[in-house]
Amino acid sequence: DVQLLESGGGLLQPGGSLRLSCVASGFTFNTYAMSWVRQAPGKGLDWVSTISGSGGYNTYYADSVKGRFTISRDDSENTLYLQVSRLRAEDTAIYYCAKGGGSGFDFWGQGALVSVSS
Amino acid sequence: ILMTQSPATLSVFPGERATLSCRASHSLGSNLAWYQQTPGQAPRLLIYAASTRATGIPARFSGSGSGTEFILTISNLQSEDFVVYYCQQYDKWPLSFGGGTKVEIK
Repeated sequence: DVQLLESGGGLLQPGGSLRLSCVASGFTFNTYAMSWVRQAPGKGLDWVSTISGSGGYNTYYADSVKGRFTISRDDSENTLYLQVSRLRAEDTAIYYCAKGGGSGFDFWGQGALVSVSS
Repeated sequence: ILMTQSPATLSVFPGERATLSCRASHSLGSNLAWYQQTPGQAPRLLIYAASTRATGIPARFSGSGSGTEFILTISNLQSEDFVVYYCQQYDKWPLSFGGGTKVEIK
């Protein structure tokens, strides 16, 4: 079975940084694009970033996070990362790791909560 | 690409049919997916390529449309279907979601 397990969330002050991780299992990780999607409390889904698979490592970002967030992957560890910096209050959300990116997201993790508050 | 879902809330009797709409600001071809989200849980993929059901999705869920107009139809609504649904385009970067439609019991 496909499993995606996020970690690394927490409470931070504006301007802070952290790194989210997502450990994947149950599929051939290196061949798939992987993504981060977030959801602010009580709001809808908001795509954040995607990194391609199969060694291409092309990256794509939402305008709202470009220059502040960095997506990466370690195919040897089946792990996806999201380095977030210069955090703002509006970045407060559950951050979901999702399998896929160019053709829909077919599996999702349970999410990691990032709260930004002074 | 701006994705607009309507209505924001849809009231339907159990056992009846729900019709959810999603409109794109630019043509997507068939590059559209639908997701279901139960409160407190991660979204679940229902439909991709506008009309293809994902693995394990019941046949009462069907998708149609192309270009800029898409429909998700849920037939014979069951209790677990009264949740929120999102459409998402993957035709062009940046990817984008609609604002969601909440299906509630009438």
